[in-house]
Amino acid sequence: GQNIDQPTEMTATEGAIVQINCTYQTSGFNGLFWYQQHAGEAPTFLSYNVLDGLEEKGRFSSFLSRSKGYSYLLLKELQMKDSASYLCAVPINAGNMLTFGGGTRLMVKP
Amino acid sequence: ETGVTQSPTHLIKTRGQQVTLRCSSQSGHNTVSWYQQALGQGPQFIFQYYREEENGRGNFPPRFSGLQFPNYSSELNVNALELDDSALYLCASSLDPAPTTDTQYFGPGTRLTVL
Repeated sequence: GQNIDQPTEMTATEGAIVQINCTYQTSGFNGLFWYQQHAGEAPTFLSYNVLDGLEEKGRFSSFLSRSKGYSYLLLKELQMKDSASYLCAVPINAGNMLTFGGGTRLMVKP
Repeated sequence: ETGVTQSPTHLIKTRGQQVTLRCSSQSGHNTVSWYQQALGQGPQFIFQYYREEENGRGNFPPRFSGLQFPNYSSELNVNALELDDSALYLCASSLDPAPTTDTQYFGPGTRLTVL
């Protein structure tokens, strides 16, 4: 089976840096996704990691450690519009059917 | 803009009724996945259709069924609705079933309320 854990809620200040952690357990590993979901909207793709290490994409970076079953999403220079839920997900098998974590609701305060 | 559309936007039903939700995939995409997202939780995988055949199924009872049409649009049918079926139903389309970067696009969802 698969299990994904991430914190339920986080709060951070505009302009700061925040790290959202995700731990996972899978019988086979086929990469890890991060999605952003604003309230009432569709999830939108942020990153896909399949190799260990940090991948940077603008203000957002994603890190993966396969040996530890651990990933994090790093958001820099936080903006109010970054207030959203951040979803960690792993493929159920070699395809793109996904198991999602419960999501981390990030609130950015002025 | 992702190009994935869903209808209706909102729907209210009563227990025991049946419902059909619709999804139009992005142009050229032959794979559609359906997810159920309860309030405050992450999406849960229901099933996936690839070229009109069911390609995988999550842990949902048989009263959740689906179809994919030759134009690759899709329907999710739920029979004998229960209160716990109240959720946002998301569909996602992709060019193929492989998990390559950024190939899966989600629609805005249908909010189903069961009273």
